[in-house]
Amino acid sequence: NAGVTQTPKFQVLKTGQSMTLQCAQDMNHNSMYWYRQDPGMGLRLIYYSASEGTTDKGEVPNGYNVSRLNKREFSLRLESAAPSQTSVYFCASNLSPGVDTEAFFGQGTRLTVV
Amino acid sequence: AQSVAQPEDQVNVAEGNPLTVKCTYSVSGNPYLFWYVQYPNRGLQFLLKYITGDNLVKGSYGFEAEFNKSQTSFHLKKPSALVSDSALYFCAVRDISGGSYIPTFGRGTSLIVHP
Repeated sequence: NAGVTQTPKFQVLKTGQSMTLQCAQDMNHNSMYWYRQDPGMGLRLIYYSASEGTTDKGEVPNGYNVSRLNKREFSLRLESAAPSQTSVYFCASNLSPGVDTEAFFGQGTRLTVV
Repeated sequence: AQSVAQPEDQVNVAEGNPLTVKCTYSVSGNPYLFWYVQYPNRGLQFLLKYITGDNLVKGSYGFEAEFNKSQTSFHLKKPSALVSDSALYFCAVRDISGGSYIPTFGRGTSLIVHP
C-alpha cells in the first residue's frame, strides 16, 4: 500500500541549479497534481495532469515544468532554482478530476534553495 | 470563481473539550467540500467530505462537519479533543457548476490540544 511516493524527501540546491522531483502512484488514478506549501499561504497548485498525456498550469506555474511520463508517474522540474522556490512540495493524485473523490498526497519534498 | 477561508490561524483547546475549526466558502453554484489533516512532516490525509445529502457528515478519527448553506460554512467539529488531534487542518472547496474541477484549499488552521 505505497499510495503516492515522492523522491527525494529533502534537497538543498544552489541558486541556478536544476533538479527534478519525482512522484509515482500505484492506485491507478487518472489525475495527478503538484502543490507547494508555504507558511501562511496554504497549498498552491503548480501544475496538474487530468489524465495521461495532458498537463495544465495551475496557480503558480512560473519557474516549473512537468512531465506526465505515464499513468503512474508525474515529475516536476526546476530548470534554474531560485530562493523563492524554497518550499515544501507535495504530489497528489485522485481518480479523476470533476469526480467527488478525495485526493491522496505524498509525504512531501522539502526543498531549500540557497 | 471559488474560494475558501479559514479565519483562524490557530485554535487552542484543552484535551477532553469540544473543538471547532471554522471554514467558510464562496461558490457560484453548489459546493463539494473537504477536510484534510496534516501531521508534522507528513502529507495531507483525507478526513471527510460533503457532496450531497445530510448536512452533518461524519469522518475519520471521530471528526464531523456540518454543512450550512445559508451561512456558507463547513465547520469541522469533534466532541472531545485528544492531544493526538494536534495538527494542521485544511478545508477545500470545489464548485460543482464552475469551470474548474480542481479544488481550492484554505490556508490551514493549526489545532493545538493541551493536556
